[in-house]
Amino acid sequence: SAVISQKPSRDICQRGTSLTIQCQVDSQVTMMFWYRQQPGQSLTLIATANQGSEATYESGFVIDKFPISRPNLTFSTLTVSNMSPEDSSIYLCSVEEGTGRGYTFGSGTRLTVV
Amino acid sequence: EDQVTQSPEALRLQEGESSSLNCSYTVSGLRGLFWYRQDPGKGPEFLFTLYSAGEEKEKERLKATLTKKESFLHITAPKPEDSATYLCAVQANNNDMRFGAGTRLTVKP
Repeated sequence: SAVISQKPSRDICQRGTSLTIQCQVDSQVTMMFWYRQQPGQSLTLIATANQGSEATYESGFVIDKFPISRPNLTFSTLTVSNMSPEDSSIYLCSVEEGTGRGYTFGSGTRLTVV
Repeated sequence: EDQVTQSPEALRLQEGESSSLNCSYTVSGLRGLFWYRQDPGKGPEFLFTLYSAGEEKEKERLKATLTKKESFLHITAPKPEDSATYLCAVQANNNDMRFGAGTRLTVKP
């Protein structure tokens, strides 16, 4: 299965600033997914990133707040912009394995906004 | 709307005390139901995929089963290293994936 490297693993940021999270996959994948996981809640899909096209955002998430880049088939970034304490969460990238193994996830980025 | 509900939210077991976790779902056409294990500070790790009612999968002390409305993750004679959050997810025929909130399992020695 794919191996995903995600960084940073954690960060504490000031409100009003932005943080860019990087996700590197060890194989080429068509789609990459960005999730948010808040304490005690289920994973919520933020957007789906395809190489060479704009990301597709889920209801409640907008490009100005969560811009995504997908420059090639092995890399993606998610930026959390103009952060507020409500953005404190774990952010995860993932890819879908084509062998009935569901999704493979990165180790996550634990973001705290103060 | 597709929904996934996991119960209980938290479960504490003594080592060797078998139990089951529940995942109830409603989905407009099930493509697959997935179980994941998530350890603190890590991303979810794939355990099983189930595709149709009656299907069962086993791995060490874990067995997953599926009906038309729910899935169970049975844990037989658990050990402390089985302590983790277990997530259930359903994928619809349109490929949308929806996750439950998870069951946080603690196994005491």
